Amino acid sequence: DAKTTQPNSMESNEEEPVHLPCNHSTISGTDYIHWYRQLPSQGPEYVIHGLTSNVNNRMASLAIAEDRKSSTLILHRATLRDAAVYYCILSDWAGGGADGLTFGKGTHLIIQP
Amino acid sequence: DGGITQSPKYLFRKEGQNVTLSCEQNLNHDAMYWYRQDPGQGLRLIYYSQIVNDFQKGDIAEGYSVSREKKESFPLTVTSAQKNPTAFYLCASSPWTGPSEQFFGPGTRLTVL
Repeated sequence: DAKTTQPNSMESNEEEPVHLPCNHSTISGTDYIHWYRQLPSQGPEYVIHGLTSNVNNRMASLAIAEDRKSSTLILHRATLRDAAVYYCILSDWAGGGADGLTFGKGTHLIIQP
Repeated sequence: DGGITQSPKYLFRKEGQNVTLSCEQNLNHDAMYWYRQDPGQGLRLIYYSQIVNDFQKGDIAEGYSVSREKKESFPLTVTSAQKNPTAFYLCASSPWTGPSEQFFGPGTRLTVL
């Protein structure tokens, strides 16, 4: 799987929007972009995924650059419960198989009240 | 409620002993996965299975073994050959129908004394 680069940590204020960046300059045409988050001592939780177009769901929005070499996870109004480690992951589904995800160290998001 | 169950939450073993971690899912998912997480690190893939009676090695399979005799169960055995078994172990599942989300269990924290 292609590699992603994320800042080690970010800090934001409660009730403000948060933009979490991810660089993936070696992304291939069949790589999907996934975001997961993990609270301390818990399993990761799926947030969102996309291929080329921007995506929205109840948790967040995913903005994908036109050249697909970077993406941004947007939390529209952060709450204290959004404090977690956020992972940006690329997964190649060209073969149609489900062969696991490669997690980096992610971004530790700190929310100030 | 559908989900993934891992037991126990905490497990202590003496060095040199094999130990089996349980993972059960009632989501009717075809694919199941085992990951390992060390403090401050991302998850690393140990083994995965896309169908009953079949499984593949992940990035760090040495010292581990798995079985997939039933669709809903994917136990992981940490053998005495695993040099640093103390870690947080996470099980996940996903439907094998494309780039869908992985659902994670609550994890088992294994400590080898």
